[in-house]
Amino acid sequence: KAGVTQTPRYLIKTRGQQVTLSCSPISGHRSVSWYQQTPGQGLQFLFEYFSETQRNKGNFPGRFSGRQFSNSRSEMNVSTLELGDSALYLCASSLSPGQGVYIQYFGAGTRLSVL
Amino acid sequence: AQTVTQSQPEMSVQEAETVTLSCTYDTSESDYYLFWYKQPPSRQMILVIRQEAYKQQNATENRFSVNFQKAAKSFSLKISDSQLGDAAMYFCAYRRAQGGSEKLVFGKGMKLTVNP
Repeated sequence: KAGVTQTPRYLIKTRGQQVTLSCSPISGHRSVSWYQQTPGQGLQFLFEYFSETQRNKGNFPGRFSGRQFSNSRSEMNVSTLELGDSALYLCASSLSPGQGVYIQYFGAGTRLSVL
Repeated sequence: AQTVTQSQPEMSVQEAETVTLSCTYDTSESDYYLFWYKQPPSRQMILVIRQEAYKQQNATENRFSVNFQKAAKSFSLKISDSQLGDAAMYFCAYRRAQGGSEKLVFGKGMKLTVNP
């Protein structure tokens, strides 16, 4: 079974641009979560989706948004990029949210550099 | 809000020896889940072990075991017979059991070096 796939692996953008990151969950998984990882702040929760609905959102500005499609694939978008948005963005998928100890499986992430 | 603290930013261990990674957390809830994740240089987070708070028995997975002290809000990871492949960043994480959310709250992580 294929794991969580994130594309692209690396991305370089300039300030003010916008970017879209993609996450394909493990087949059969319907819940997708996103995290931002930086050396200073560590791993911070961005948002989670289930059945195309955002169920929970972290403390990030409105420039960060996401969506989930009917096939459970998810995208996140960052508009008006700032230097501080440079980070590793990780996606995780699980069968269903919050029911028992469903394991979250992580992708290898997208490394975003903002110049 | 829940918080997770990993006070040791780095540790090293000799191959074949045992090392313990510490983690404390703060929560007002009685039911929750705790996890240790490993992140090697490949960047992919891998689940090492998990513990359900309502279970008193400490979880074990082969060479990995935890010491879960609910009253002290402590959740340490013991790695026995350390191998070179254990070198990685290790993150302790918390998840609520109620509320239907998958949100993980992570500690800052600890870099483990394994010396041959």
